[in-house]
Amino acid sequence: KQEVTQIPAALSVPEGENLVLNCSFTDSAIYNLQWFRQDPGKGLTSLLLIQSSQREQTSGRLNASLDKSSGRSTLYIAASQPGDSATYLCAVRSGGGADGLTFGKGTHLIIQP
Amino acid sequence: DAGITQSPRHKVTETGTPVTLRCHQTENHRYMYWYRQDPGHGLRLIHYSYGVKDTDKGEVSDGYSVSRSKTEDFLLTLESATSSQTSVYFCAISGTSGDTQYFGPGTRLTVL
Repeated sequence: KQEVTQIPAALSVPEGENLVLNCSFTDSAIYNLQWFRQDPGKGLTSLLLIQSSQREQTSGRLNASLDKSSGRSTLYIAASQPGDSATYLCAVRSGGGADGLTFGKGTHLIIQP
Repeated sequence: DAGITQSPRHKVTETGTPVTLRCHQTENHRYMYWYRQDPGHGLRLIHYSYGVKDTDKGEVSDGYSVSRSKTEDFLLTLESATSSQTSVYFCAISGTSGDTQYFGPGTRLTVL
């Protein structure tokens, strides 16, 4: 059974810092990996999708990397801003079927002004 | 934002009553999913659909059933609600099985 772990569970940093969020998964036979953000009381917003054949994806100040063989992904946030404060979720889709995502429990990020 | 709505957005019900949650999409996406989110457990897949009348079970399907009679609607039914089904329920859609999943706003369900 696939398990996804996110470290750290919570992180508080001053505005302007670059930071890295970590995600690990137990079964390397994944189809793709997706990063989301969730604001309190809200739904999930997709940030980046990395297919299993890709090594990284970039969107603005966000960069996500994937090392499938070691079962790891990182989300790099450059020049953090208070508006980046949210919970960040990592999720993997395993195998080639239509079944859904397996989620980590998230990293709660606070950017101090 | 992907065109996904969920109804109702909030519901309080009593143990033993049937409850149906609705997910409606305007994107004509083939794949639809139901997840629940609980503190300490994160999001877990309940059921999913890969086409009209084509559905399958997820990780936590006991006590839930689903139906999809039209591309745009995916219904989640709790036949006899229990307190352990108190949760936030999210619907998601994707165009293909390998695509980005887009999530709806969620339904907060409380079973007393």
